[in-house]
Amino acid sequence: QKEVEQNSGPLSVPEGAIASLNCTYSDRGSQSFFWYRQYSGKSPELIMSIYSNGDKEDGRFTAQLNKASQYVSLLIRDSQPSDSATYLCAVNPLVAAGNKLTFGGGTRVLVKP
Amino acid sequence: DAGITQSPRYKITETGRQVTLMCHQTWSHSYMFWYRQDLGHGLRLIYYSAAADITDKGEVPDGYVVSRSKTENFPLTLESATRSQTSVYFCASSARGGRNGYTFGSGTRLTVV
Repeated sequence: QKEVEQNSGPLSVPEGAIASLNCTYSDRGSQSFFWYRQYSGKSPELIMSIYSNGDKEDGRFTAQLNKASQYVSLLIRDSQPSDSATYLCAVNPLVAAGNKLTFGGGTRVLVKP
Repeated sequence: DAGITQSPRYKITETGRQVTLMCHQTWSHSYMFWYRQDLGHGLRLIYYSAAADITDKGEVPDGYVVSRSKTENFPLTLESATRSQTSVYFCASSARGGRNGYTFGSGTRLTVV
């Protein structure tokens, strides 16, 4: 079982709709959770971080964390073609020596006009 | 310029040659990381460093060497390049390791022929 799992997609979303991305993780002691956006040919860019159970909103993005169920999700409201990218989930496992992040494989999102 | 910079952006080298990828950050971040990204494998950690003169192996360290004599620099050396090391390499830095996420450099696309 991979430590951080994401559906690879592509997730096809009409413009203006909500894109919902999910991520599950295996280390129950994980403390920090992040979503990165990566455009094709570019480097990952941090868009959201969440540390406590519940929702965290930032503009059109909402991160949701449920530690009991070991999943973290990202909602993109009013999706725009510019949101078309790969979204990487990253987790800071409690047991990770050296305080490293573990990344999921990413979900590719396509927003169609 | 402030930030994290990688050089070169693109590199073509021959099998068996030694090649060094450079990473420089201006934030005085303690933690620095080297990842490679390949289709089907996502981001894989090669080496990381928690401070100057402290380095440790990641998931895929074979064939790579790192050093960190100064906080701001973290070069990655391929001792004898192989075709399997053709990849996109990302350097990242963080003030507090995985706890508050990383900032990535723009990447180096390396081709070994």
